[in-house]
Amino acid sequence: EVQLLESGGGLVQPGGSLRLSCAASGFTFSSYAMTWVRQAPGRGLQWVSTISHSGGSTYYADSVKGRFTISRDNSKNTLYVQMNSLRAEDTALYYCAKDLLVWGSDWFFDVWGRGTLVTVSS
Amino acid sequence: EIVMTQSPATLSVSPGERATLSCRASQSVSTNLAWYQQRPGQAPRLLIYAASTRATGIPARFSGSGSETEFTLTISSLQSEDSALYYCQQYTIRPPLTFGGGTKVEIK
Repeated sequence: EVQLLESGGGLVQPGGSLRLSCAASGFTFSSYAMTWVRQAPGRGLQWVSTISHSGGSTYYADSVKGRFTISRDNSKNTLYVQMNSLRAEDTALYYCAKDLLVWGSDWFFDVWGRGTLVTVSS
Repeated sequence: EIVMTQSPATLSVSPGERATLSCRASQSVSTNLAWYQQRPGQAPRLLIYAASTRATGIPARFSGSGSETEFTLTISSLQSEDSALYYCQQYTIRPPLTFGGGTKVEIK
């Protein structure tokens, strides 16, 4: 079964850091671009960051650029996002998502995890 | 950045009736558009990509149409399990990837 499982969320103070992980199983992780999408409580979906299948290319929303770093370890089938200088507006459920098409970077997603909640508050 | 606008915000439809959801892009996205369904407490699920291609396992009552800036998701005969939020997403010009604000479909 194709599955994504996020972890690492929690309560953090403004200015703090967290690293989220997304463990993938049931597919050839190294063949797919991966993405983080977040959803603030009661709000819509917001794209955060995407990484190519090899990890050689990364992309960020302006709202997180310079503060978040996406990475992947294809030997461990795991996607990461390091989040620094966190702000209240980063509070959200963070989903990892898999591209539908192999090798490409199509940026639409056929598999999503259940999400991990990040709360930034003092 | 391409802005995606969905309408209506909420749609109330009787079981068995047709539901029509709209999505408008601020500039042409060709047919690089996806639709997702998000049931309460669940992750989004891909319904449609390339504007009109159903994803694997999606029932035939879901169909997508449109191109350039105007798109429609149609649920031909609404079932109770279709009560959800629906989002459109463009992927033609990225970054940034952009989603619409969502349409909530309620069962009347």
